[in-house]
Parts: sequence; C-alpha cells; structure tokens
Amino acid sequence: KNEVEQSPQNLTAQEGEFITINCSYSVGISALHWLQQHPGGGIVSLFMLSSGKKKHGRLIATINIQEKHSSLHITASHPRDSAVYICAVRSGETSGSRLTFGEGTQLTVNP
Amino acid sequence: NAGVTQTPKFQVLKTGQSMTLQCAQDMNHNSMYWYRQDPGMGLRLIYYSASEGTTDKGEVPNGYNVSRLNKREFSLRLESAAPSQTSVYFCASGVNYGYTFGSGTRLTVV
Repeated sequence: KNEVEQSPQNLTAQEGEFITINCSYSVGISALHWLQQHPGGGIVSLFMLSSGKKKHGRLIATINIQEKHSSLHITASHPRDSAVYICAVRSGETSGSRLTFGEGTQLTVNP
Repeated sequence: NAGVTQTPKFQVLKTGQSMTLQCAQDMNHNSMYWYRQDPGMGLRLIYYSASEGTTDKGEVPNGYNVSRLNKREFSLRLESAAPSQTSVYFCASGVNYGYTFGSGTRLTVV
C-alpha cells in the first residue's frame, strides 16, 4: 500500500461542475502539498497545508490531520482546469525533508 | 523570470552513454531535488541537497550521481545510461512553504 493514496485516479466532469479530489496518507506529516501538472508536463505548486483550509480563486484545499485526509475542491470547473492533480506529503520539519507523492488524479473538464 | 531552469528538455541516449542534466534556481533556496516520473507511479526522489555542499540519496539513487556546484546549481549525472532510466526527470527547489519545479527533461535510453 502506498503511503499516499489519491482518488479517483481519473475524473471527467462537465464545465461548471463542482469537483473533489481526495488524498489519504498513512504517515505522520508536517505538511501536505497539492500540485498541478499541465498537459505539457510542467508542475505548479497550488497549496501547502498543515491544518485547516486554504482558498485561492476557485480552488479550495482542506486537511484533517486526525483522519490523515485532504481534499482539493474546484468550484465552477472550466476546461482549462484539465490537468493532473498531485498530492504530496512532507514528513520532516526542515526544508530538506523529502516529499512523498501520490500517483495523481487525471481531471478532464469538457465544455 | 524567477524559477527553476532545467536543461535539456529532451534527450535520446544509447545504452552505456553518459550525460548530465543541469538545473539552476534563482530563488535563493537552500534545498534542491531531482525526481523521476514514470507512468503509473508518483514522482520518486532520486537525490536531494538540503544545502550547498550536502547531498543525500532518495528512494531511487542507483545509477545516478549528483553535484551541488553552488547554491544555485544542482546537476544529475547518468554515468552509463540504461533503458530502465527512460523517464521524465524534474528538478525542484524549495522551502518549507512551497516548491518550484523545472519544466522537465524527457529522457529516452535506447
């Protein structure tokens, strides 16, 4: 069993739908990151969470430390949101601590 | 633009050839990383450098070497490429609150 599990692996939605991607982890963490990988391959950091909830535009990320679970929500989805969304956890406190990544969720938003 | 610059973007090697992937960041980050990404698997850490002058092995270091030349630059070397090293390689730099990734190198070993 992977230390970081994402669901679903693939998700297809219609433009305008509310989307949720889930991430569960099995190790103690100091932070959780959500990343977006564009169809061209570039990776962008969306959020870093250690507790609670963060919002940026139409994206909302939440984390429940006790349940070892995080969700990424996209409101009013748009075709440009089509990408792979990756959850990653950091288990140490220092900036040298390594990240462990989930396999990613492929999101396709149709017009 | 500030960020992580990674070269080359594409490379084809023959088995046994060597090459160096270059990475430079201009954000004054202490930590730098090399990852590989393979289909059906998450990004896996090859090597990382927590600060200038230090390097440490990650999950999959076999067949690779690294050099942290200075605070800006962190290179990855394949001494004798093997088909199993066909992958997409990403360099990243980071601090506690976030990471910045390079655009990736698609390497094919034939």
